[in-house]
Amino acid sequence: EPEVTQTPSHQVTQMGQEVILRCVPISNHLYFYWYRQILGQKVEFLVSFYNNEISEKSEIFDDQFSVERPDGSNFTLKIRSTKLEDSAMYFCASNPRPGANYGYTFGSGTRLTVV
Amino acid sequence: AQSVTQPDIHITVSEGASLELRCNYSYGATPYLFWYVQSPGQGLQLLLKYFSGDTLVQGIKGFEAEFKRSQSSFNLRKPSVHWSDAAEYFCAVGARNNDMRFGAGTRLTVKP
Repeated sequence: EPEVTQTPSHQVTQMGQEVILRCVPISNHLYFYWYRQILGQKVEFLVSFYNNEISEKSEIFDDQFSVERPDGSNFTLKIRSTKLEDSAMYFCASNPRPGANYGYTFGSGTRLTVV
Repeated sequence: AQSVTQPDIHITVSEGASLELRCNYSYGATPYLFWYVQSPGQGLQLLLKYFSGDTLVQGIKGFEAEFKRSQSSFNLRKPSVHWSDAAEYFCAVGARNNDMRFGAGTRLTVKP
């Protein structure tokens, strides 16, 4: 069964450093998403992306964050100047079509720890 | 905008007992409703989804959920819980052309 692949599974970074979280969506999917889950809390929507541009973003997704599809397969989330409160599990998801119609396919997540 | 409430933060049931996890949603139109399960340190696995039609939907691992429009609910049920069902369960709501939003989750503990 096709999978969404996220790397690395765990990343530790110093406060103030930049991190890039990587995702390989399912190959024929066109819509991509990042969600965040702070430990013990709910899964929160960050951003959706289609046709090389952001479709929607939440209030969490401020100027510190950016997304990119640098090539035909990767979808990245960049966090500039990380803060302690950015420590969370970050989930990538993809969808063949827009919206929640199909129930996204989620990756296994990247656990980001900012120290 | 859509939102989801899961009233129970933590539920403990005995192995073999029945289970019901509550989910209430808020959305102005017909919602798409989902239940996901997350085992410790793992990603999100789709258990089942409701889009339209029969209000009782069957999912994987013996789970089912019933959509009740009058109560704005989509409760998850299982007749007999197994120890391996211990996990975090998330209800989510979405719609056509709208992104998915999750509830806060319910942690399920299964007693031997």
